[in-house]
Amino acid sequence: DTGVSQDPRHKITKRGQNVTFRCDPISEHNRLYWYRQTLGQGPEFLTYFQNEAQLEKSRLLSDRFSAERPKGSFSTLEIQRTEQGDSAMYLCASSRMSTEAFFGQGTRLTVV
Amino acid sequence: QKEVEQDPGPLSVPEGAIVSLNCTYSNSAFQYFMWYRQYSRKGPELLMYTYSSGNKEDGRFTAQVDKSSKYISLFIRDSQPSDSATYLCAMSASYGGATNKLIFGTGTLLAVQP
Repeated sequence: DTGVSQDPRHKITKRGQNVTFRCDPISEHNRLYWYRQTLGQGPEFLTYFQNEAQLEKSRLLSDRFSAERPKGSFSTLEIQRTEQGDSAMYLCASSRMSTEAFFGQGTRLTVV
Repeated sequence: QKEVEQDPGPLSVPEGAIVSLNCTYSNSAFQYFMWYRQYSRKGPELLMYTYSSGNKEDGRFTAQVDKSSKYISLFIRDSQPSDSATYLCAMSASYGGATNKLIFGTGTLLAVQP
């Protein structure tokens, strides 16, 4: 499978715990994006990387959220001290510089 | 006002009908326009990708972009029950030759009745 891969697909965690998600982009894509989607809404931009550099972060990305893309390959999104409002689908996408973005299947987070 | 507006539906049509889905936007810097299809609990799947104004056809799907009106459309001909999904429009600007982040509409839920 040469598409965008996300792991895990589902995560249930207790409020206050830390969680980390992983995204493996399409191999030749140098741009990687994270989005969050809640029920009945379109995906909302969180952050993106060009190679290993994080170029933009949304104001939605509070200080409890951190994203990394070491060596410009896979990326991780960590949420510290999770809250019930963090429950959502977290989507990763990748693209070349001026082309369409392809999404993974997402990680569904439930905070109980 | 949101940057991208999309009628959330739901839209119910009989099998074989022509479906028209639309989005309007306010940011004149948008140059790249996409339509994604999303099945329940799955990631968005890219259907159509268009740069600037004009039409693009791919099988039963036609995308139209009218930048002067800030209006984009997706037409589905001969709709099938398997087309039942949420359709998301998305668009982005370009800075320094690189595509910027995508801004999405809320999605339109389509049901094609057999």
